[in-house]
Amino acid sequence: AQKITQTQPGMFVQEKEAVTLDCTYDTSDPSYGLFWYKQPSSGEMIFLIYQGSYDQQNATEGRYSLNFQKARKSANLVISASQLGDSAMYFCAMRESGTSYDKVIFGPGTSLSVIP
Amino acid sequence: DVKVTQSSRYLVKRTGEKVFLECVQDMDHENMFWYRQDPGLGLRLIYFSYDVKMKEKGDIPEGYSVSREKKERFSLILESASTNQTSMYLCASSPRRLQETQYFGPGTRLLVL
Repeated sequence: AQKITQTQPGMFVQEKEAVTLDCTYDTSDPSYGLFWYKQPSSGEMIFLIYQGSYDQQNATEGRYSLNFQKARKSANLVISASQLGDSAMYFCAMRESGTSYDKVIFGPGTSLSVIP
Repeated sequence: DVKVTQSSRYLVKRTGEKVFLECVQDMDHENMFWYRQDPGLGLRLIYFSYDVKMKEKGDIPEGYSVSREKKERFSLILESASTNQTSMYLCASSPRRLQETQYFGPGTRLLVL
C-alpha cells in the first residue's frame, strides 16, 4: 500500500502567486517526521522543511510553510510568492520511528512549473 | 557543509557487466542509503545501512548488493547489470535522529545497453 500519496503529478502557478502541493500519508506510528524536498532539473535533492508529528505549530521556512493536519494525515506544502526558480519536482517524505526507524519513504512527486 | 559525493555522474555499461557505484559522506553520519529514481515512481529505497558492515534491504533489493566497510563509504553493486536497471541512483546519508533530514549526493545516471 502506498504510504505517501501526492495526487498532483503536475502543477502550474503564475509567478508571484501562492501554490499548495498536496501530500497525504499513512502510518500507525505515533511518532514520525515529514519532510519536503525540491529537485530542480540539475538533479540535486534540496531539503525544504520538516514537521514532527508532535509539533504543535505548523512548520515555516521563509516562503515555505507546511499545512499539517494530523487527523487527516495530510502535510501540504505551501509556497508563497512563487518565483521562476521554484520550477522543479517536489517530493514529500516520511520517516517513522520504531522498527523501520531509519527508513524514509518518498512519494511519487509533483512537478511544479512557474509561469512568468 | 555536509557533503555527499558519488563516484560518477554518468555511467554507461553493457548488459551482464558488474557495476560499482560508490558514495562517500564527510559528516560522520550513521545512516547511509541507496535509492533509485524513475519518472512517476519517486525515490525507491534499494538498501540502507545504519552502521559499518550492517545493512538492511529496502523495497527493491533484487539485483543489487551493498558494502559498507568504512563508516563514510557505502557502495552499491549491480552483480550483472540488466537494461531494467537503467535509472538515476541517489545516495544519501543522515544522523540517527527522527527529525534530521537526509543529505543527498548529486546522483549517478546509469544507462545499461
